Amino acid sequence: QVRLVESGGGVVQPGTSLRLSCAASGFIFSDFAMNWVRQAPGKGLQWVAVIWYDGSQKYYEDSVRGRFTISRDNSKNLVYLQMDNLRYDDTGVYYCARPTSGLDYWGQGTLVNVSS
Amino acid sequence: SYNLIQPPSVSVSPGQTARITCSADVLSKQFAYWYQQKSGQAPILIIYKDSERPSGIPERFSGSSSGTTVTLTISGAQPEDEADYYCQSADNTASCVFGGGTKLTV
Repeated sequence: QVRLVESGGGVVQPGTSLRLSCAASGFIFSDFAMNWVRQAPGKGLQWVAVIWYDGSQKYYEDSVRGRFTISRDNSKNLVYLQMDNLRYDDTGVYYCARPTSGLDYWGQGTLVNVSS
Repeated sequence: SYNLIQPPSVSVSPGQTARITCSADVLSKQFAYWYQQKSGQAPILIIYKDSERPSGIPERFSGSSSGTTVTLTISGAQPEDEADYYCQSADNTASCVFGGGTKLTV
């Protein structure tokens, strides 16, 4: 069965960096684009970034462009989100999600808390 | 980019029909998707391509589209349907946008 497991969250200070990972299993990872979606405490879902199946194209939400980098390793079935220059408003649960027709599989999320 | 507009809240009694709308000009050209998120859980896809229902999603959930507005309908809402509901669309780069979410109270 399809499984997505995020890791790498934690408490960090503003201006620092963090790298999230998402381990995928149960499907042919290299056939699918992958997304990161986040949710601030008590707020709605916000799409963050997408990477195409082969890594050739990457797109970002306006507020993270230039600070966050999405990447993938198809040999390890992993997708990453490198987050630099973190801000207080980056705090939230970060989910990876697989798109087919809609985001049909989601992980359980990893919590990022940007706090001084 | 664009905004998908949803009402913040909808309230119905058990057994009644709940309708949640999502509006944006782009929805006349792009498909919409709907997600259910219960407290403390990851979202679940409940409607794709405006009106298709994934396997395992109860038949009381349905979707429709008219012009620039899409609608999620829950026919005979149950107490377990109480959750936040989000619409979503995407452009041809696969970049997504979510609506602000609607809290359904049953």
